[in-house]
Amino acid sequence: AQSVTQLGSHVSVSEGALVLLRCNYSSSVPPYLFWYVQYPNQGLQLLLKYTSAATLVKGINGFEAEFKKSETSFHLTKPSAHMSDAAEYFCAVSGPGAAGNKLTFGGGTRVLVKP
Amino acid sequence: EPEVTQTPSHQVTQMGQEVILRCVPISNHLYFYWYRQILGQKVEFLVSFYNNEISEKSEIFDDQFSVERPDGSNFTLKIRSTKLEDSAMYFCASSEGVGTSGGKQYFGPGTRLTVT
Repeated sequence: AQSVTQLGSHVSVSEGALVLLRCNYSSSVPPYLFWYVQYPNQGLQLLLKYTSAATLVKGINGFEAEFKKSETSFHLTKPSAHMSDAAEYFCAVSGPGAAGNKLTFGGGTRVLVKP
Repeated sequence: EPEVTQTPSHQVTQMGQEVILRCVPISNHLYFYWYRQILGQKVEFLVSFYNNEISEKSEIFDDQFSVERPDGSNFTLKIRSTKLEDSAMYFCASSEGVGTSGGKQYFGPGTRLTVT
């Protein structure tokens, strides 16, 4: 079975500061890993995904994440926070080749950006 | 960019009533999914659907739940007899395929179901 743990349900950062959101996963097979963002009253939007190619993955809106197999981690970072980054962020895992490709989500981290 | 749409945005129903949540996936997508998020909890997988049949379902997806693609464009989730604990945000998603090239799932904005 696969699982995802996101450390910190809430993170507060100052505008211009580094954003670091932590995600650790558990998977018995090489995983596919994803970060999704949810803005208020909207659906989940894919930020980036790791599918066994480069371990450093660049996504939209200046976000990137690094897959570290030894640490079973896939932390999300952005060098400089913008007010528009205030949202909830979800890490998710799926297994390769699964017929339905279901996503298993972490609990989410809500980001507050202070001016 | 194409979007997944869901209706209604908010549904209030009484316990024991049937509800149908509707989704219009992206037109060339072949895989369809329902997820739910109970307030304050994780987003949970309910069911995936491909080639007009369920490909995988979670233990949450019991006999009270069913899915259907009635007309080639809509994808529906039916809850036959709602319980208070079915109150949640329900997300529909679709993907072109699975795996590295086609596995990106596009999510709709969700339907908030409130069971009273």
